[in-house]
Amino acid sequence: EDKVVQSPLSLVVHEGDTVTLNCSYEVTNFRSLLWYKQEKKAPTFLFMLTSSGIEKKSGRLSSILDKKELSSILNITATQTGDSAIYLCAVDWYTGNQFYFGTGTSLTVIP
Amino acid sequence: DSGVTQTPKHLITATGQRVTLRCSPRSGDLSVYWYQQSLDQGLQFLIQYYNGEERAKGNILERFSAQQFPDLHSELNLSSLELGDSALYFCASSVDGSVEVGGYTFGSGTRLTVV
Repeated sequence: EDKVVQSPLSLVVHEGDTVTLNCSYEVTNFRSLLWYKQEKKAPTFLFMLTSSGIEKKSGRLSSILDKKELSSILNITATQTGDSAIYLCAVDWYTGNQFYFGTGTSLTVIP
Repeated sequence: DSGVTQTPKHLITATGQRVTLRCSPRSGDLSVYWYQQSLDQGLQFLIQYYNGEERAKGNILERFSAQQFPDLHSELNLSSLELGDSALYFCASSVDGSVEVGGYTFGSGTRLTVV
């Protein structure tokens, strides 16, 4: 059965710390992997990764896909309290029309 | 505001009842997806509609049904509700039913509590 696993489940850090969130997947015919940030309600799109080894970057957030290891990491540097959220990883494959989500990593940044 | 509108925001109902959740996709989007998010299961895909037709089905219970109307809004009907149905129900939309163009746009969700 196809599966998306995120780790850690939960993380508490101080402002200014750097964090790395992990997502691994077991999906046949992989097409893309997405990262979302979910604060109070609706998940909001962060990155879409399709090619291995190419880093996507947006401000203090960056993400990279490793197709050989079937995984992706999301890095957040110089964390701020506003980064507190659940970070979701989702995977799509060629025979599917929808994303399959991991259970998420809950990040709490304390002042 | 993402442009995807879900109503109601919160819903509390008793076991055995039936509820309808409503979603209006972002303007121009033809495809609607329904997801259920519970604490221990993460986001679970339920069903997808594209331009009024069912396109893909996920882990949707037989007690649940959905449809997409000619004006492209969608409704998710949940019947014979059980305590375990308590969850956040998200609707998402995309332009053409393909997930290739940077993912979906999510609505704010409907929180359903079954008591």
